[in-house]
Amino acid sequence: DAGVTQSPTHLIKTRGQQVTLRCSPKSGHDTVSWYQQALGQGPQFIFQYYEEEERQRGNFPDRFSGHQFPNYSSELNVNALLLGDSALYLCASAVRADQETQYFGPGTRLLVL
Amino acid sequence: QKEVEQNSGPLSVPEGAIASLNCTYSDRVSQSFFWYRQYSGKSPELIMSIYSNGDKEDGRFTAQLNKASQYVSLLIRDSQPSDSATYLCAVKRNGGFKTIFGAGTRLFVKA
Repeated sequence: DAGVTQSPTHLIKTRGQQVTLRCSPKSGHDTVSWYQQALGQGPQFIFQYYEEEERQRGNFPDRFSGHQFPNYSSELNVNALLLGDSALYLCASAVRADQETQYFGPGTRLLVL
Repeated sequence: QKEVEQNSGPLSVPEGAIASLNCTYSDRVSQSFFWYRQYSGKSPELIMSIYSNGDKEDGRFTAQLNKASQYVSLLIRDSQPSDSATYLCAVKRNGGFKTIFGAGTRLFVKA
């Protein structure tokens, strides 16, 4: 049973560029949440997707956008990258019937130069 | 005021001792409470969830919740060096989809 997978594992971009991060949820899971974790901080909720719709959004600007596909996989897009966007981006999946138990993927480490 | 506050540590305990990790939260509407463990360079892993006032035990772990004081704690009995990690406290509103994390407490268990 595959767990949550994310790609790529590491990424280096320059300011102003755009990036797309990908997440495949755990088998049987239909809900995907995205988090940003800066060094020394806890994960910060970006948004959650369910049934291909953004269900709730955290305090992040519109530069952060996402998508969920019919197979429940998801993408996180960040436009006009800033140095402060450098962080570990985590994807977590859950089933609708048990939203409290979420499983995190290994994350994508993004460095913006 | 941060929504979820934890002492950043590090908290250092000898092997076999009890480690006590504490967390306070500001939103009284919070209904679900979680403890995650995060090893260095890895992603968070859920170890305990608690929803009602009182204690909840799972193996060497005990979570304690006091909603009146807006306080959650995690006790780790018989601490092992493998317990050395950052412990993240998280809260969620009833029916909400957003999980709010604290900054975490680093625990170091000395062999």
